[in-house]
Amino acid sequence: QQQVKQSPQSLIVQKGGISIINCAYENTAFDYFPWYQQFPGKGPALLIAIRPDVSEKKEGRFTISFNKSAKQFSLHIMDSQPGDSATYFCAALRGGSNYKLTFGKGTLLTVNP
Amino acid sequence: GAGVSQSPRYKVAKRGQDVALRCDPISGHVSLFWYQQALGQGPEFLTYFQNEAQLDKSGLPSDRFFAERPEGSVSTLKIQRTQQEDSAVYLCASSLIGQGMGSPLHFGNGTRLTVT
Repeated sequence: QQQVKQSPQSLIVQKGGISIINCAYENTAFDYFPWYQQFPGKGPALLIAIRPDVSEKKEGRFTISFNKSAKQFSLHIMDSQPGDSATYFCAALRGGSNYKLTFGKGTLLTVNP
Repeated sequence: GAGVSQSPRYKVAKRGQDVALRCDPISGHVSLFWYQQALGQGPEFLTYFQNEAQLDKSGLPSDRFFAERPEGSVSTLKIQRTQQEDSAVYLCASSLIGQGMGSPLHFGNGTRLTVT
């Protein structure tokens, strides 16, 4: 059972455009939603995270939008740059668990110059 | 150290061989995690340590997988009698304590295991 569904599987965006990656979850016990960025040959690195008590969080060019009623959240990358080309993973953590992250399958983002 | 260090970076094993993968977490991090990442997939949880105590090993695929962290710092993931389906990248991560907004995961660059 895939608890966090991520789409699209791959995404191509022109430099300066907006990249949007979506995730949906099923378990309402999830209460922490991070996004990770992974470059080839590297481990995932935390990009930005949100808790369900806020609907949006922005850090620089990266924004998470959170819709608790729809059980969906998304990552928006504004002014996308070629250096943003990487695989992005959404993830979720169940409240009370405090350690077992569930990851989506990833989105391969390519930003063309 | 500056980050989580894993060794070796690459390991090729013949089917049936035993392998040992090492993880050096960030100094002072209480929590240590092992994840398995298959090609084109997201990481999947294997096991979790708090100091030297293994609090959860529910993600280990079989009894051929064994992890330890005897002194609460360096950890080793051992796979006995490797099978082709064990081929994956094994990621180690550490955090101050647990995992959450105030204690993010820091991943190493992984060990890519190929079983031939």
